[in-house]
Amino acid sequence: NAGVTQTPKFRILKIGQSMTLQCTQDMNHNYMYWYRQDPGMGLKLIYYSVGAGITDKGEVPNGYNVSRSTTEDFPLRLELAAPSQTSVYFCASGAGGAHSIYGYTFGSGTRLTVV
Amino acid sequence: KNEVEQSPQNLTAQEGEFITINCSYSVGISALHWLQQHPGGGIVSLFMLSSGKKKHGRLIATINIQEKHSSLHITASHPRDSAVYICAVRERDGGATNKLIFGTGTLLAVQP
Repeated sequence: NAGVTQTPKFRILKIGQSMTLQCTQDMNHNYMYWYRQDPGMGLKLIYYSVGAGITDKGEVPNGYNVSRSTTEDFPLRLELAAPSQTSVYFCASGAGGAHSIYGYTFGSGTRLTVV
Repeated sequence: KNEVEQSPQNLTAQEGEFITINCSYSVGISALHWLQQHPGGGIVSLFMLSSGKKKHGRLIATINIQEKHSSLHITASHPRDSAVYICAVRERDGGATNKLIFGTGTLLAVQP
């Protein structure tokens, strides 16, 4: 049981390049999330999805896009990368709604540097 | 002021010591999570609790909903416990988004 798989683990981008961070979960979770973690800051929500075909913005969505065509996959797209997007990105998934008793499963993270 | 505050930010302990990490929050919540992040590693969920106390091995988590406060305790600490411990709350916003608000973490170093 792989849980949440993120790829790549590391990436260096040049300013203006684009890339897609991949996230796949095999737990049939409805809820999926993308967070970024900056030094000295708590994780910030970029985008989330409550099910296939449904996505919504989090706290810091500018410069990113997502899609959720299947329950398993929730890719995060960076268009026109900027140095401010240098961060560690985490994908997470969860089974239930706002009052769920279930916890979350996190991916291992993607360390992205934009130069 | 952050909605989720952790203290201390940094903690150094000797092997075997009893450790307490605190988390205070200012919003209504439906659940609180304690997470562990090892250097260069991913994030692992330790506990999710909405009342009382939970125990798993040498780790104990407590929450006081009235006080809006939670503590994570580590008994008989070991160098392998060295990590960042993150408190996160699931806001009781009436919606179905299940979003978390994170503290900035407590960096724990346990020396042999």
